[in-house]
Amino acid sequence: SQQGEEDPQALSIQEGENATMNCSYKTSINNLQWYRQNSGRGLVHLILIRSNEREKHSGRLRVTLDTSKKSSSLLITASRAADTASYFCATASYSGGYQKVTFGIGTKLQVIP
Amino acid sequence: DAGITQSPRHKVTETGTPVTLRCHQTENHRYMYWYRQDPGHGLRLIHYSYGVKDTDKGEVSDGYSVSRSKTEDFLLTLESATSSQTSVYFCAIRPAGGGLDNEQFFGPGTRLTVL
Repeated sequence: SQQGEEDPQALSIQEGENATMNCSYKTSINNLQWYRQNSGRGLVHLILIRSNEREKHSGRLRVTLDTSKKSSSLLITASRAADTASYFCATASYSGGYQKVTFGIGTKLQVIP
Repeated sequence: DAGITQSPRHKVTETGTPVTLRCHQTENHRYMYWYRQDPGHGLRLIHYSYGVKDTDKGEVSDGYSVSRSKTEDFLLTLESATSSQTSVYFCAIRPAGGGLDNEQFFGPGTRLTVL
C-alpha cells in the first residue's frame, strides 16, 4: 500500500490562481519530498522538508508539514500553464540502515491559460 | 537528469520471453533504484542497490531480478515476462552525501509492453 496519498487526485485551475495539493501518510518519516512529472517524462525533485521543519519555500512553491496530523501540503502560487503536470509526494524513512522512499499516486494538475 | 540513461526507451515483447532493462549513470552514485509506474498506483519500488553486488527487494519484486556488477550499471531482468509487467519502468539514483536528506534523480523511463 502507498505510504503517501495525495488529494485531490485531479485539479484544474485558471492561470494565475493558486494550486494546493495535500498529502497524507501513515507512519513516522525522516523527510517528505515533492516531485513533478510532466507527461511522458521522469520525475523531477521540487522540494524536501525534514520532519523537524514546519514550512519551506522555494520560489513559487510553499510546502508545509504537520507531523502530528501526518500530512503535508504543496502550494503553487500564481500558477502558469507550464505548471501543468502530475505532482507526487514521497515519504522517506530510515529502515535497516537505508533510506526507504514511498511515493503516493499523485495529483494531476491542469493549469488553463 | 543527473547523467542517467535508460535503455531501451520502448520495448514490445511477448509473454514468456526474458527482458533486461539497463540503467546507466555517469556520476558514480552509490544508491540506485528501479520503480514501476502504473495508473492508480503511483511509483512502486521493485529493487534497489546500495553498492556493487549489494541489492535488496522492494515492495513489488516478484518476477524481477537485478544485478549490479559495476557502479554505473543497474540491470533489471524479467526472467519470463507476463502481461501484468506491462508498465513504465524508471531508474533513479540517490547521492550518498547529505545523509538521509537528499532527493532521488530519475531517468527518462522505459515503456515496456508485454503482449
